[in-house]
Amino acid sequence: DTAVSQTPKYLVTQMGNDKSIKCEQNLGHDTMYWYKQDSKKFLKIMFSYNNKELIINETVPNRFSPKSPDKAHLNLHINSLELGDSAVYFCASSLMRREVQETQYFGPGTRLLVL
Amino acid sequence: AQSVSQHNHHVILSEAASLELGCNYSYGGTVNLFWYVQYPGQHLQLLLKYFSGDPLVKGIKGFEAEFIKSKFSFNLRKPSVQWSDTAEYFCAVTRSPSGYALNFGKGTSLLVTP
Repeated sequence: DTAVSQTPKYLVTQMGNDKSIKCEQNLGHDTMYWYKQDSKKFLKIMFSYNNKELIINETVPNRFSPKSPDKAHLNLHINSLELGDSAVYFCASSLMRREVQETQYFGPGTRLLVL
Repeated sequence: AQSVSQHNHHVILSEAASLELGCNYSYGGTVNLFWYVQYPGQHLQLLLKYFSGDPLVKGIKGFEAEFIKSKFSFNLRKPSVQWSDTAEYFCAVTRSPSGYALNFGKGTSLLVTP
C-alpha cells in the first residue's frame, strides 16, 4: 500500500493552461505539504495544511492554489501555467504534535513540464 | 539569512571508500535535523534524523550522522560506500517547537563508481 500517493506522475502541458495535481496519504497524518524541486534539484516548501487549515504559505505566485478537502488529501491547482513552473512537485505528510517534530513522508513526485 | 548549507555539491567515490557529507545550518534555537536520500528517479526517503539525545545518530543502510551543536553541523558518514549509494543527499532542518516545514540544503550528488 502506497503511503503518500500523487497523481499524475507526469504532466506535460502548454503555457497558459490550468492543471491540478492530487495528493493522498493513508498514514493517518494531520499535516500535509507541497514542496517544489527545481531543475537544480533544490527543494523548497510551498504550502502546508494542518487539519485542512493553511499554516504555511511561502512566497508563491497566487496562480498556485492548494485545496485540502479533508485531512488525507491536499491538491494543488495551478492557473495560467508558465515555463518556470516546470519542476517536480512533491507532496509530503506528517503528524503535528506540539513540541514534537515528526518525520515527513514524501510522495513519488509529479514531474511537470510546461511547453 | 537563516539557511542550510551543504558544502559538497558533487562527490565521486570508488566503492568501499569512506563518505562524509557536510551540512551546516544557521538557525538559532532548538532545531531538528534530517538527512534524506533521493535515488535516481525516485522520491525522497528518510535516512536518519536527530531530535534530541545522543548526538550520534544511526540510520538505515549503514549511514550515521553526528550533531555538533557548537559547530552548527550535522555531517553524514558511511564507512564504506556501495554502487547502490549513488543518489542525491539532502540535509534538512526544522525548528522546534514551531515551523514544521523542512528547510533543505541544495543537495549533494554522490556517484559511486565500481
